[in-house]
Amino acid sequence: QVHLVESGGGVVQPGRSLRLSCAASGFTFRSYGMHWVRQAPGKGLEWVAVIWFDGSNQHYADPVKGRFIISRDNSKNTLYLQMHSLRAEDTGVYYCATGDYDVRSANYGMDVWGQGTTVTVSS
Amino acid sequence: DIQMTQSPSSVSATVGDTVTITCRASQDVGYWLAWYQQKPGKAPTLLIYGASTLRGGVPSRSRFSGTGSGTDFTLTINSLQPEDSATYYCQQANTFPLTFGGGTKVEIK
Repeated sequence: QVHLVESGGGVVQPGRSLRLSCAASGFTFRSYGMHWVRQAPGKGLEWVAVIWFDGSNQHYADPVKGRFIISRDNSKNTLYLQMHSLRAEDTGVYYCATGDYDVRSANYGMDVWGQGTTVTVSS
Repeated sequence: DIQMTQSPSSVSATVGDTVTITCRASQDVGYWLAWYQQKPGKAPTLLIYGASTLRGGVPSRSRFSGTGSGTDFTLTINSLQPEDSATYYCQQANTFPLTFGGGTKVEIK
């Protein structure tokens, strides 16, 4: 059974860093692109970043470019999101989701989602 | 960035009704359009990708269908059921940064 479990969320002061993890199981993790998507309280979905299945390329949303880094360890079936210089507007639930299979693209939507981990940026 | 505009922002309908949600892109996205359903407190689920392809696992003869290309897309829910009460989002998958519509909340009268 395909399963994604996010962890690493919490309360953090503005300007600090946090690293989220997404543990994958039940599928061939190394063959799938992976996304991070976030949702501020009471708001809609916002795409954050994607990494190709082989880690060869990443793309970011403008609000996080230069502050967040998406990475993956295919030997550990784990996706990461390193977040630096956190701001209040980064507060929300962060979801990881599977992307395209075995291609360097992000055309086919986000298929399987984790349950999310909550990040609160507050002093 | 490509802006995705959904309408209506909310709709209230009766069980058995047909509900239509539209999504307009500010630029041509071809057929690279996905639809998601999100229930309160839950993660979104993918319903449709490629504008009209039902995700595997969505029931065949599904109540859900998607149409459109270019800049104008539609999600139709036929024979609305109580379990369809949720917020629906479109997302363009053509160009980075990927972008979502603002969502359409579907309520059951």
